[in-house]
Amino acid sequence: ETGVTQTPRHLVMGMTNKKSLKCEQHLGHNAMYWYKQSAKKPLELMFVYNFKEQTENNSVPSRFSPECPNSSHLFLHLHTLQPEDSALYLCASSRGGGVYDEQFFGPGTRLTVL
Amino acid sequence: GESVGLHLPTLSVQEGDNSIINCAYSNSASDYFIWYKQESGKGPQFIIDIRSNMDKRQGQRVTVLLNKTVKHLSLQIAATQPGDSAVYFCAENKDAGNMLTFGGGTRLMVKP
Repeated sequence: ETGVTQTPRHLVMGMTNKKSLKCEQHLGHNAMYWYKQSAKKPLELMFVYNFKEQTENNSVPSRFSPECPNSSHLFLHLHTLQPEDSALYLCASSRGGGVYDEQFFGPGTRLTVL
Repeated sequence: GESVGLHLPTLSVQEGDNSIINCAYSNSASDYFIWYKQESGKGPQFIIDIRSNMDKRQGQRVTVLLNKTVKHLSLQIAATQPGDSAVYFCAENKDAGNMLTFGGGTRLMVKP
């Protein structure tokens, strides 16, 4: 395993629901990332946190709200999603937040929005 | 309009043969490139990287070639094994920036 865990692994939600995705890394890394992998597009960066501070928001709609309480945990709060938000949401971590720092990915949460 | 899925090209090889997976990148200012492997049910896994001051880099059974003239990146896998079956995709740091942009991927299928 990569040292990055994600829960739940599968999630089905209605458009009016509120849910949260959780990511935890056991690697002692300082940077954490959320990515979206859908059937229609290549892997897309959503958010980056470095030392608990958000350093990148890749024009993500406000119905996705990230939270990073510490360097080991990252959450993605979901509210009023659309069916086109159905995708695999991947979390990653790296030692530093630079592009040369190898990113270690979790297995993802498969989200289906009805 | 009708939604369509991302079409993944597929490369089918015989076990023991060499595989070559290609990637065309878009940004001439990109100076760092990575190849990832993604097996079914798992997240992407780093395979090998290369910086733009190099043309070739070798790892264990894998070689990455970079042709900056035509903005082309390739991944060569020697003696392909069934465990190499996965989706492979490249990533670049557009405009020599700090974030990665990913390609669509190629599905490699290894026939025993």
